[in-house]
Amino acid sequence: AQRVTQPEKLLSVFKGAPVELKCNYSYSGSPELFWYVQYSRQRLQLLLRHISRESIKGFTADLNKGETSFHLKKPFAQEEDSAMYYCALRETSGSRLTFGEGTQLTVNP
Amino acid sequence: GAVVSQHPSRVICKSGTSVKIECRSLDFQATTMFWYRQFPKQSLMLMATSNEGSKATYEQGVEKDKFLINHASLTLSTLTVTSAHPEDSSFYICSAGRGGYGYTFGSGTRLTVV
Repeated sequence: AQRVTQPEKLLSVFKGAPVELKCNYSYSGSPELFWYVQYSRQRLQLLLRHISRESIKGFTADLNKGETSFHLKKPFAQEEDSAMYYCALRETSGSRLTFGEGTQLTVNP
Repeated sequence: GAVVSQHPSRVICKSGTSVKIECRSLDFQATTMFWYRQFPKQSLMLMATSNEGSKATYEQGVEKDKFLINHASLTLSTLTVTSAHPEDSSFYICSAGRGGYGYTFGSGTRLTVV
């Protein structure tokens, strides 16, 4: 069965520092990976997906099939990046998403 | 952009009563709706997947007779928690699938059973 692991429940950095939110997955096929973000008192929203290979709000994530990872990175964190981040996986042939446990990112001034 | 409206945002009910949560896609047709449950400081756990006009597919361990899901149209899905008990208190979130366009989430419903 597929599984998504985010080893850090809490991550705290200072403004301007680099940040990396880790995500590892286990799945026998070729998955589609996503990062979702939930700002305080707001709904979950898509941040980026690996097939788009884009940078959103300065964040990037590269799918590393060898390490089965999809870490989220930003070179210079901003205070407004403080939020809950979820890594999610979609199976090749299905439509359901499997979420990781989430990482609460706090960017301090 | 695509918007999913979920109501109510909060509900308090007495033990033994039923509660209905609605999820509407406002400007698109949602062929698939997903219902999640989220406990405090935990991740979203998929409860069931519903496709318009057909029966929902429940995840293992989710009681289909307790959590009734109806997806009668392409813009509306409902989750009814029947005979609610305090252990059903949780945060429930719906998500609408838009094919290759991804997923749009509702704002969630905080259910408290007293």
